[in-house]
Amino acid sequence: LAKTTQPISMDSYEGQEVNITCSHNNIATNDYITWYQQFPSQGPRFIIQGYKTKVTNEVASLFIPADRKSSTLSLPRVSLSDTAVYYCLVGDIGAAGNKLTFGGGTRVLVKP
Amino acid sequence: GAGVSQSPRYKVAKRGQDVALRCDPISGHVSLFWYQQALGQGPEFLTYFQNEAQLDKSGLPSDRFFAERPEGSVSTLKIQRTQQEDSAVYLCASSRREGTPEAFFGQGTRLTVV
Repeated sequence: LAKTTQPISMDSYEGQEVNITCSHNNIATNDYITWYQQFPSQGPRFIIQGYKTKVTNEVASLFIPADRKSSTLSLPRVSLSDTAVYYCLVGDIGAAGNKLTFGGGTRVLVKP
Repeated sequence: GAGVSQSPRYKVAKRGQDVALRCDPISGHVSLFWYQQALGQGPEFLTYFQNEAQLDKSGLPSDRFFAERPEGSVSTLKIQRTQQEDSAVYLCASSRREGTPEAFFGQGTRLTVV
């Protein structure tokens, strides 16, 4: 499984864009990049998943360069409610069990 | 409710006591996972079921941990002779099918062993 490295924490302010970069130098050909969000006292929640280039949904955008050795989760115009831990996961979507392997995540604190 | 339901939400156990944690996955979801999350850390994989079959239990920390899903729906994680190091949040997740990245997590059961 590809190991991921992401910042431990980030601070931001309401209305700003937050970009969290995750490094995954050993990503394999079959691996997808998936991001989860976790609020205090709740289980993680799927945000977005991608393989290459750019993916956008109603919550976030995911930018993946051509070499796929890193990815950046972009949260536009954050609000206080976006304060959470964000996890970058890399894995083979087709593998049996698709065991999601979480790292330490990035704690994002949005300030007023 | 349409989400994954876990019970109890909180459990305090005396060291040496056996505990059973329940997970009701989303109806029809084939895959079910258990994770353990220590304070301030990311969730760590414990075990995986596809329907009633336990296909991966590589993350179970010791033989005191046992999980089952006898009818392919509700699952129970049992911890025998609890120890203080078992204190953590235990998360259950389910997904529609094998190979999908979107797993739906419950709120977890916070286990405190005293």
